Amino acid sequence: GNSVTQMEGPVTLSEEAFLTINCTYTATGYPSLFWYVQYPGEGLQLLLKATKADDKGSNKGFEATYRKETTSFHLEKGSVQVSDSAVYFCALTNFGNEKLTFGTGTRLTIIP
Amino acid sequence: NAGVTQTPKFQVLKTGQSMTLQCAQDMNHNSMYWYRQDPGMGLRLIYYSASEGTTDKGEVPNGYNVSRLNKREFSLRLESAAPSQTSVYFCASSDLHGYTFGSGTRLTVV
Repeated sequence: GNSVTQMEGPVTLSEEAFLTINCTYTATGYPSLFWYVQYPGEGLQLLLKATKADDKGSNKGFEATYRKETTSFHLEKGSVQVSDSAVYFCALTNFGNEKLTFGTGTRLTIIP
Repeated sequence: NAGVTQTPKFQVLKTGQSMTLQCAQDMNHNSMYWYRQDPGMGLRLIYYSASEGTTDKGEVPNGYNVSRLNKREFSLRLESAAPSQTSVYFCASSDLHGYTFGSGTRLTVV
C-alpha cells in the first residue's frame, strides 16, 4: 500500500535560515505528491503539489521537486520567516484514487 | 465564503455518550472524507464517500459510522464514545483539482 515517511520534528530555526523537511514515499504506479501546511488552530491548506516525475511545485517561496529515482519530495525554503511557523504534512494520492495518504507531520518553529 | 464547514468546533463527552459531527461543503464536490489527527500520527482516514449515497471504510473506521445525507453533507457519528477517540477531527471534500479541509473539531472524551 501507499505510505509517506516524513522527517521527525519538531524543527526550530532562526529567521532567514535555510529550511529542508525531508519526505520519502512508497507507492505503486505514479502518485501525485503534495505538501500541506497547518497554521495554529486551523485546518490544512495546500502549499504546493507535483503530479509527475521531475515536476517542481512552488508557492510562497517554498519548493519541492518530485524525484522518482529516490522516491522523495523534500520541502525547501531559502529564507524562513516567523510567519512560516506551522505543521507541514507531506502526502500523496495515486492515479484514479483521490484518497490522500499523509505523513506524520513536522512542526516548524521560527524564532526571531 | 465557499468551503467546508464543520460543527461543533469543540466538544467534551463522557465515556459512553454519543454524538454526531456535522460537515457541509458548498463547492459541489463529489468526494468527502473524515480524518482524525493525533500527535505523531498525522491524519488517518476514518471513512470516505466517493459520491452521494456511497460510503467506504478508511484506515481507522472502528467505533464510527457515517452518513452521506446528500451531496453537500457528510456526518460522522460516535455511538458510544471512548477515551481513545479523543482527537481532532477534520472533514474534507475534493475534486480533481484538490482537497479543501474544514477547520476541525476538537473532541475530548473523559
